[in-house]
Amino acid sequence: QSALTQPPSASGSPGQSVTISCTGTSSDVGNYDYVSWYQQYPGKAPKVVIYEVTKRPSGVPDRFSGSKSGNTASLTVSGLQAEDEADYYCSSYAARNNWLFGGGTKLTVL
Amino acid sequence: QLQLQESGPGLVKPSETLSLTCTVSGGSIDTSTFYWAWIRQPPGKGLEWIASVYYSGSTYFNPSLKSRVTISMDPSNNQFSLTLSSVTAADTALYYCARQDRTDWPPDPFDVWGQGTMVTVSS
Repeated sequence: QSALTQPPSASGSPGQSVTISCTGTSSDVGNYDYVSWYQQYPGKAPKVVIYEVTKRPSGVPDRFSGSKSGNTASLTVSGLQAEDEADYYCSSYAARNNWLFGGGTKLTVL
Repeated sequence: QLQLQESGPGLVKPSETLSLTCTVSGGSIDTSTFYWAWIRQPPGKGLEWIASVYYSGSTYFNPSLKSRVTISMDPSNNQFSLTLSSVTAADTALYYCARQDRTDWPPDPFDVWGQGTMVTVSS
């Protein structure tokens, strides 16, 4: 099994929107609506910001949204704020009871 | 408030076995509502799911690690553990324990994480 594919970096200015992609296959992202996104600050544990493609845990700002089309899932951060600067990882349930992660995207707020 | 805390040796010699324990506080691991998982992150790299365990004894493993991994639960001490045999430098990583929500199938997401414990494989 291969990791999901994410761009290594993304950036945007405060107030702008940024979208991060996560590409898998028909055996994972394309076949299951169990894609999650995790935010990780340096030296900290990851925190889930989106699960089941579009759902936000309580306490996560509605600036964070998720979507999926075919084998690619996306995380959009609207109204960028300085505090959104972090690493973001996607994860997907895959066939035969496996969970895959993406390689991570470093989001920079310019 | 549920908290997870990893513990184990920070240094393991090549070819030896790595053993880690995750102690859960603020809730019981002996519940049908959650799976319990190990995830690792090599320095400067991405996350990799290792294995998950359920209170019933059901286990799932990353196929690339399955031959070397054991995961188990100790409900009496509210802990779950990971062993990884025949380690090499490639197993050097920050190891996290985490909870998976089993409200639906499949269990997802990893909604509570420990702070992680760094394990270095070196002679």
